[in-house]
Amino acid sequence: SQKIEQNSEALNIQEGKTATLTCNYTNYSPAYLQWYRQDPGRGPVFLLLIRENEKEKRKERLKVTFDTTLKQSLFHITASQPADSATYLCALNNNDMRFGAGTRLTVKP
Amino acid sequence: EAGVAQSPRYKIIEKRQSVAFWCNPISGHATLYWYQQILGQGPKLLIQFQNNGVVDDSQLPKDRFSAERLKGVDSTLKIQPAKLEDSAVYLCASSRGGADPNYGYTFGSGTRLTVV
Repeated sequence: SQKIEQNSEALNIQEGKTATLTCNYTNYSPAYLQWYRQDPGRGPVFLLLIRENEKEKRKERLKVTFDTTLKQSLFHITASQPADSATYLCALNNNDMRFGAGTRLTVKP
Repeated sequence: EAGVAQSPRYKIIEKRQSVAFWCNPISGHATLYWYQQILGQGPKLLIQFQNNGVVDDSQLPKDRFSAERLKGVDSTLKIQPAKLEDSAVYLCASSRGGADPNYGYTFGSGTRLTVV
């Protein structure tokens, strides 16, 4: 069956460190993958897209990698800040977008 | 650019009652989606519209859920009768559609439904 797994339910890190979130998938062949941020009581907000033929994409302090052999994407936030605390969702296209359950990131001052 | 508008923000109903949610997407966005997000899970697609036509409703429980987008703009999602397991946040999203995913989906803040 098709699955999208995000590494852990929660990740706690110290301010200034790099947060690394993992998204693994099985039985999908997505043409692209997206990452979203979701704050409590709000809808997800689109952050980045990476295509199957791209290895890495950057946007300010964010970096995403996509390994179609490993069927894995890594999402990095460098120089993390308490304001980065949120749930981060990965989503794969499968005609429509299918979302993982998310990883709740807490950045402690 | 105004965001995706949804109402109401919260709704509490008893099981077997009916409920309706409304969504107004971003102006010009041809594609509209309804997602269900149960606490602790990622959003699950219920239905996708392209203009006023249904593209995908394979995961919509059609015995109790219905949705329409009559004029290709705003949309309503209805549940009748509601069950306890329908308690969730119902998210509406829109996108420019077509083959360009670069802008992602724009989501509304959702309607939190509690069925008691």
